[in-house]
Amino acid sequence: DIQMTQSPSFLSASVGDRVTITCRASQDIHTYLAWYQQEPGKAPKVLIYGASTLKSGVPSRFSGSGSGTTFTLTISSLQPEDFATYYCQQIHAYPLTFGPGTKLDFK
Amino acid sequence: QVQLVESGGGVVQPGRSLRISCAASGFIFGNYAMFWVRQAPGKGLEWLAVLSYDGNYKHYADSVKGRFTISRDNSNSTLYLQMNSLRAEDTAVYYCARRSNTGITLLWDPMDVWGQGTTVAVSS
Repeated sequence: DIQMTQSPSFLSASVGDRVTITCRASQDIHTYLAWYQQEPGKAPKVLIYGASTLKSGVPSRFSGSGSGTTFTLTISSLQPEDFATYYCQQIHAYPLTFGPGTKLDFK
Repeated sequence: QVQLVESGGGVVQPGRSLRISCAASGFIFGNYAMFWVRQAPGKGLEWLAVLSYDGNYKHYADSVKGRFTISRDNSNSTLYLQMNSLRAEDTAVYYCARRSNTGITLLWDPMDVWGQGTTVAVSS
């Protein structure tokens, strides 16, 4: 099975900050990686897929990069609605696996 | 609008069975592969199962293989998860989700539409 890790697990930041979350896969997954945002009590929402393709309707302050085993999600200027938990997911092979999540909260 | 609505959750005793459903609307359900994903209280997301658009191909996570069965009724635009031999560790919010693209492959594309989730609590 492909193991996914994320760092950091928790991130404290302020509105306007630039933040980066890293996701690593235990083997090469090419660019078959998606990023999801989950607000408390709500279902996840896809932000980025194919490692770097922004889902339609997602603000351009979100961006993704990487290939192979190391990926990043960057939020260029944090907005109040961005304080949530972020998960990466590999879509390269079954079983599909999610990273453990990065909780982004107010500093 | 495109929507998924789960139902059927509740409290069930260990060892018993439960079937949860996911009603789809706003899109041609029979064209899309569908997933079940769960989230235990305070924990992360866990993929459970996938079913192809025609019901012919499926995969399961090891944690539920042999106990859970995914199925679909395309004529009623509904996805199901039959859960048998339930354990305390199956307690979670269960989400259904749609693969973002149509087609036979079950990989490479994300889950682009999610339901609101249904809660299953396994307790004596």
